[in-house]
Amino acid sequence: DIQMTQSPSSLSASVGDRVTITCRASQSISVYLNWYQQTPGKAPKLLIYAASSLQSGVPSRFSGSGSGTDFTLTISSLQPEDFATYYCQQSYSTLYTFGQGTNLEIK
Amino acid sequence: EVQLVQSGAEVKKSGESLKISCKGSGYSFTNYWIGWVRQMPGKGLEWMGIIYPGDSNTRYSPSFQGQVTISADKSISTAYLQWSSLKASDTAMFYCARSDQYYDSSFFDYWGQGTLVTVSS
Repeated sequence: DIQMTQSPSSLSASVGDRVTITCRASQSISVYLNWYQQTPGKAPKLLIYAASSLQSGVPSRFSGSGSGTDFTLTISSLQPEDFATYYCQQSYSTLYTFGQGTNLEIK
Repeated sequence: EVQLVQSGAEVKKSGESLKISCKGSGYSFTNYWIGWVRQMPGKGLEWMGIIYPGDSNTRYSPSFQGQVTISADKSISTAYLQWSSLKASDTAMFYCARSDQYYDSSFFDYWGQGTLVTVSS
């Protein structure tokens, strides 16, 4: 199985900050990497697919980059509604494993 | 409007069977894979398996193979996740999600609201 490792596991930041979350795959997954946001009590929401494509309706302050084994999700200017848990997910192999999550908290 | 509507919360006892559902609407149900994702209390997302309702082709994570059964009834646009004998460790929130594709890249673009399953010993 392909293992996905996110860093950091948790992060404190302030409104207006620029934040970067990293996801590393245990083997090359090309650009088959997605990012989701989950707020407490809600279903996950797709933010980025295929490493860098912004899902329709998602604010442009979210961006994704990377290929191979190393990927990043960047939020250019944090808004209050962005404090949530973020997950990466690979879709290179049939078993679409998720990373363990990054909890983004208000400083 | 694409929607996935899941069945309601369940409270069961260890050893009991259970089947939860996920009804799709607003799109061609048979043309998109539907996946199931587990989230144990306070934990992250776990990919359980996926089904193509058009031909019932199903794939499971090794962690869930033999523990659950994923099925679909395309005549009523509904996917299912079932257990034959629940354990207390099955207590979790379960989400269904539609899988779309961009070239060869797959992703879950629409999600159900989740079904909370509580199993007591």
